[in-house]
Formats: sequence, structure tokens, C-alpha cells
Amino acid sequence: DVQLTQSPSFLSASVGDRVTITCRASQGINSYLAWYQQKPGKAPKLLIYAASTLQSGVPSRFSGSGSGTEFSLTISSLQPEDFATYYCQQLNTYPITFGQGTRLEIK
Amino acid sequence: EVQLVESGGGLVQPGGSLRLSCAASGFSFSDSWMTWVRQAPGKGLEWVANIKEDGTEKNYVDSVKGRFSISRDDAKKSLFLQMDSLRVDDTAFYYCGRGTVVSAWGRGTLVTVSS
Repeated sequence: DVQLTQSPSFLSASVGDRVTITCRASQGINSYLAWYQQKPGKAPKLLIYAASTLQSGVPSRFSGSGSGTEFSLTISSLQPEDFATYYCQQLNTYPITFGQGTRLEIK
Repeated sequence: EVQLVESGGGLVQPGGSLRLSCAASGFSFSDSWMTWVRQAPGKGLEWVANIKEDGTEKNYVDSVKGRFSISRDDAKKSLFLQMDSLRVDDTAFYYCGRGTVVSAWGRGTLVTVSS
């Protein structure tokens, strides 16, 4: 199975900060990577797919990059509504797998 | 508006069975891959299974192979997950989703496996 390792697992930041979350795959997955945001008690929400394509309706402060085994999600200027848990997901190989999550909290 | 509504969760004893349903609306269900994802309370996301538009391809995570079965009824715009031989570690919220990249999610239904 493809293991996805996110770093950091926990991140404390302030409104207006630029933050980057990394997702490392145990083997190459081309660009078959998606990013999701989940708030407490809610279903996840798709942010980015194909490593760097912004889902319709998602603010442009979110961006994704990478290919192969190294990927990143960047939020250019944190807004209060961005404090949540973020997950990467690989779709290159079955079984599809998720990273363990990165919890982003207000400093 | 895309809507996915799961049902069928509840409390079941180890070794028991449950059948989850997901009612879809607001999109072309018959043209969409569909997915089940689960999340144990306080834990991360785990992909469970998906099914191709025409039902000819089904994929499962190893831990549920032989115990869970995904199916669909395009006429009723519904997705199903038959769960047999349930174990305590199957306890989770189960989410129904549209696509392999899940672009729309239901609110989830809680399955609790406990004696």
C-alpha cells in the first residue's frame, strides 16, 4: 500500500500567516493527489485535485504543488475559517489511501 | 444542488451485519464513480471502497475484503454498503461520496460495533 506521511501533524499559526503542509508518498504517485479540509463534526471538503487543480468554489489563497513523491498544500494568508484538519489522498494505486492529517490551530 | 444522504447506521454486535444506503440527488448518478470513506471517532479518514459508473469494477481496502460489499441502483440513485462479520474496529462514521476524488460528501452515518 502507498503510505502518505503529512508534516507537520500539528500546526499553530495566526490569521494572515502563510502556511505550508507537506505530504510525502512512500512511492511515486504521479500527480494523483488530492487535498481535503475537515472541520469538527463536518464531512471533509475537497480543496485540490490532480496535485494542483483548485476545486471550483475554493478560495485562491489555497494552492497545491508537487509530483512523484513530494507534495505540498499552501495557504497564502490564513483566514479564521481555515483553521481545520487537512488530509492528503493518493489515487494512483489501490487501495486509495489518506495521510494521517494535519491539524491547523489558531496561535 | 448535489446532495448525498446516508442511512442505515446503528449499534450492532460483533459478528453482525448492517446495510448502509446513500440517496443521491442533484447530479448524474449513473455517470459517477461512487465511494465510501469511514472515520473512527477522533481518528483520520480511511478509504473503504468504490464502484465504477456501470458497477463493473469494485475496489476495497484489504481490511474489509470478503466482509463488505459495495453496490448501486442507478434507477433509484442509490449506493449501498453491505457490511457482514462486523468487528469492533469497524466502528466509525461512514461517508458516501461522489467520485474517486470525492467532490461531494454526505453527512455520514455512525456505525457502532459493540457487545
